[in-house]
Order: sequence, then C-alpha cells, then structure tokens
Amino acid sequence: DGGITQSPKYLFRKEGQNVTLSCEQNLNHDAMYWYRQDPGQGLRLIYYSQIVNDFQKGDIAEGYSVSREKKESFPLTVTSAQKNPTAFYLCATNRGSYNEQFFGPGTRLTVL
Amino acid sequence: AQSVTQPDIHITVSEGASLELRCNYSYGATPYLFWYVQSPGQGLQLLLKYFSGDTLVQGIKGFEAEFKRSQSSFNLRKPSVHWSDAAEYFCAVGDNTDKLIFGTGTRLQVFP
Repeated sequence: DGGITQSPKYLFRKEGQNVTLSCEQNLNHDAMYWYRQDPGQGLRLIYYSQIVNDFQKGDIAEGYSVSREKKESFPLTVTSAQKNPTAFYLCATNRGSYNEQFFGPGTRLTVL
Repeated sequence: AQSVTQPDIHITVSEGASLELRCNYSYGATPYLFWYVQSPGQGLQLLLKYFSGDTLVQGIKGFEAEFKRSQSSFNLRKPSVHWSDAAEYFCAVGDNTDKLIFGTGTRLQVFP
C-alpha cells in the first residue's frame, strides 16, 4: 500500500531537548518537504529536498535540521535552538509534475 | 513574490446549502492551483487541481473550482454541503520551483 508514514503521531519534549520526527515514503517520489502548521497561519515550509543528499532551507528553517540519506526517508530534527517548537508538523512528497504534493498524517509536537 | 489569500477565516453553512470558498492568488504567469482539505489532526488531502485547459475543474467529494485569470481567483464550490464536509480548506499555488505557497485556510462549519 503506497503512502507516507510519519511517526510518532504525538510527541512530547522537555525544553532544551532535541527531538527527531520521522517521515518515510514508498511512493518513489524524488522530492520531500517538511511543513509546520500553527492555528491561523496555514502551512509554512521548513526544509525541502529534491534529491538524495541534497536539501534546501525553506521559509522558517532556523532551529531545525534535516538529512536525506535515502530516497524513502527525510527525518526532521527539532533542536533546542527552536524557540517555539510546539506545532503540528507535516511531511509531503512531490511526484515531480506540476508541484502536486501528497501529505502524511502529521506529528503533533508539544514542548512541556 | 507569489502569495495566496483566503479572505474568509471561518464560514458556517447549513447542511444542504451551497458553498463557495474564495481564493485569490498573486503570480505573474499561469499558476498551478490546488485545493486541499484537512480534518482535525489529520494530513491534507487533495480535492482538485488546475494546471491548464478547461477552467472549470471537477474534484473529489462533489467539489468543483473555477480558474478566473482576470480576477486571479480559484474559488471552490459545492452545490449541496454535507455534514461530513466540515473541515479546514486550503488553497495553494505553485510554479516551476517545486514549492507550493498555501493560504491561511478557511474553516468550514456545517449545521444540521
């Protein structure tokens, strides 16, 4: 069954801790994206990767890091430098035509 | 720079009534246009898309949208709303950079 998997669904973190969100896809799509969603602000792009071993900063990359060692995987690390990390995080892929993006189910991160 | 405006933050309709959600974009050339729907705590699901050709596009769940170049609009419509349509709706615009720009969303509430 093709799709995008994000884990965990809920994540709790203490202030000052780094945490990694997982995103895996078996759609064979080249491009992958991470978005942050806050109430009333829509989706904001954190990082994206168009090919393995390459990625670019989005609009709000500060305090986040990513890697793209495999086509199927694009993990996002929320570092302690991110001042307000509590949000809903969405991973997406792009099959390469017309920017049509497909989304995973999301991870809700809460900083305690 | 590209931008997307969804003027209505929150819309309430009665079940069975017609619906129109507004979307205006700013982009120099013909954009790629999308409408996505999101249920609470879930990822985004593509409702419909416009790339070129017929300006009236049909989507899933009985939704349609019309691209009007002269008004820079891509409004979403449904003739008769069902209670299950209650969700948040996002308009998005893309170009040739593999990125999408999202509006801030319109929350739809449906009364029985």
